[in-house]
Amino acid sequence: QSALTQPASVSGSPGQSITISCTGTSSDVGGYDYVSWYQQHPGKAPKLMIYDVNNRPSGVSDRFSGSKSGNTASLTISGLQAEDEADYYCSSYTSSNTLGVVFGGGTKLTVL
Amino acid sequence: EVQLLESGGALVQPGGSLRLSCAASGFSFTFYAMSWVRQAPGKGLEWVSAISGSGDSTYYADSVRGRFTISRDNSKNTLYLQMNSLRAEDTAIYYCAKDPSHLGLNYLDVWGRGTTVTVSS
Repeated sequence: QSALTQPASVSGSPGQSITISCTGTSSDVGGYDYVSWYQQHPGKAPKLMIYDVNNRPSGVSDRFSGSKSGNTASLTISGLQAEDEADYYCSSYTSSNTLGVVFGGGTKLTVL
Repeated sequence: EVQLLESGGALVQPGGSLRLSCAASGFSFTFYAMSWVRQAPGKGLEWVSAISGSGDSTYYADSVRGRFTISRDNSKNTLYLQMNSLRAEDTAIYYCAKDPSHLGLNYLDVWGRGTTVTVSS
């Protein structure tokens, strides 16, 4: 159950778009459409932003979108806003070794 | 309103035990799988364990298998995590989270606020 690989940090100016990548293997990201993304503000619990690769829960802005190609999933945030500044984590179902869930190391998004 | 409220976090010595609880409300608890996710100070999220809605199936991260036991009491709408042989590296905020599937290992759509476990002598 090795962690998925995310960039440690990304940044963008208000109004711009950014993309956060999440790289795994064929036993997790590449093998299943069970990738999800979470937003976490400092001192707060994580919040689900994207599930099953590209689905948004009710109430999540359509500025957030997800995609996947091979073993890499991506989260794109368009029209960056100050309140988007947070940590973002990807997650996937995994069948590596034993069945379970694996998270990425997290990406700190800074809105300049 | 769907709510999850964790409790039971404490300061415990290495080698000790602790049981965390998560009280659920606002949804049909027995229908849904549940998970525990932890976050060490200044670190990222780490999935710990999951249990199906019926409690028949359980899953563990390699880092806790054999030391932690997940369980649930559907009559009390409560999820548990029994933690034994605790180590310093188990120090973290432990979150309880709801899975929208019955079997588990899906995404987590509702999270509690967390309870803090500190393992130190």
